[in-house]
Amino acid sequence: AQKITQTQPGMFVQEKEAVTLDCTYDTSDPSYGLFWYKQPSSGEMIFLIYQGSYDQQNATEGRYSLNFQKARKSANLVISASQLGDSAMYFCAMRGVLSGYALNFGKGTSLLVTP
Amino acid sequence: KAGVTQTPRYLIKTRGQQVTLSCSPISGHRSVSWYQQTPGQGLQFLFEYFSETQRNKGNFPGRFSGRQFSNSRSEMNVSTLELGDSALYLCASSPRAGGPGETQYFGPGTRLLVL
Repeated sequence: AQKITQTQPGMFVQEKEAVTLDCTYDTSDPSYGLFWYKQPSSGEMIFLIYQGSYDQQNATEGRYSLNFQKARKSANLVISASQLGDSAMYFCAMRGVLSGYALNFGKGTSLLVTP
Repeated sequence: KAGVTQTPRYLIKTRGQQVTLSCSPISGHRSVSWYQQTPGQGLQFLFEYFSETQRNKGNFPGRFSGRQFSNSRSEMNVSTLELGDSALYLCASSPRAGGPGETQYFGPGTRLLVL
């Protein structure tokens, strides 16, 4: 079975600061994908970043980077230069053959960016 | 390119009724997945359709069903509604099915309230 754990229910960060959102996972899949999504209060899930389990380099997308440590089974999201619009729920998710490639989500972390 | 669209955005139903939700994927995307999001259970996978065939199904009762049309549009149906079916129903599309690296792009969701 696959399991995604996000241990931080809520986080605060000041505008323009960097913040790290934690994600650990457990799987016996030989090949899997890790994703981060942002969900504002409107409800839509917005794709942020993807990391493949065999990717040698950490993924980056603009202000988002993924700190992937395969041996520790962690895939933390780093947001640099936080903006007020970054306030939202953030979900870590995984897909692999064991789930039939369905996305398996963590419980999420609520991020509040303050002025 | 237009994103994933879902209709209706909001629904209020009473127990015992049935409901049909609709999802139009991003143009060119042939895989459509459905997820249920509730405060208690978080995000849970319902099913995935590709080329009009159900590829994968989550752990939901038979009251939950879906289908996909030749233009890749998808509908999901919930019969004999229960109070616990109140949730945000999210549809996601991807170009292809399967594979750990396929990114799913989500629609704005349909908020269903069962009274």
